[in-house]
Amino acid sequence: KNQVEQSPQSLIILEGKNCTLQCNYTVSPFSNLRWYKQDTGRGPVSLTIMTFSENTKSNGRYTATLDADTKQSSLHITASQLSDSASYICVVSAGVQGAQKLVFGQGTRLTINP
Amino acid sequence: KAGVTQTPRYLIKTRGQQVTLSCSPISGHRSVSWYQQTPGQGLQFLFEYFSETQRNKGNFPGRFSGRQFSNSRSEMNVSTLELGDSALYLCASSFLGRTSYEQYFGPGTRLTVT
Repeated sequence: KNQVEQSPQSLIILEGKNCTLQCNYTVSPFSNLRWYKQDTGRGPVSLTIMTFSENTKSNGRYTATLDADTKQSSLHITASQLSDSASYICVVSAGVQGAQKLVFGQGTRLTINP
Repeated sequence: KAGVTQTPRYLIKTRGQQVTLSCSPISGHRSVSWYQQTPGQGLQFLFEYFSETQRNKGNFPGRFSGRQFSNSRSEMNVSTLELGDSALYLCASSFLGRTSYEQYFGPGTRLTVT
């Protein structure tokens, strides 16, 4: 069964600290993996999208890694800011051309405290 | 380039009524997808339209329907509203398709059914 599991479910850290969010997937065949940031009551905003051949991708203070062998991805946030408080959603695209689907994780709720 | 717009942003309806939500994709994008987001279920795929044709459909009852116009604008309709339909409804547009290409989400329509 295609599944995306994210951990932790929620996380609270102090401003300025680093953190890492995890995403494990059992999706086949893999096409790409995306990380989204969603502020409360708003639509998700794309942070990174990675294909099979990419194992690291950065977007400012956000760095995503992908290990296609172990089917794991992580999102590392450096020097957190209050504005990083949001839900972070991992999404994996699976399937063959013409029959692909997106599998969504439940998200990690990150709270940055001053 | 203007982003994805959704109208209305907030809506309150009573059980049994019907509702129509509207989505205008990014200019040049032909794929429009709809999602329902609730705290307990996360993001769930409703359907995807591409060039006025429904290309994919999620596991939602027939009360949920949609359409896409020749200018790529899309509408989603929910008939005979139930309390459980209260959710944030998100629309996302993509250049050619949501699974292979980046999706850009709108701000969402917050629907409350009383």
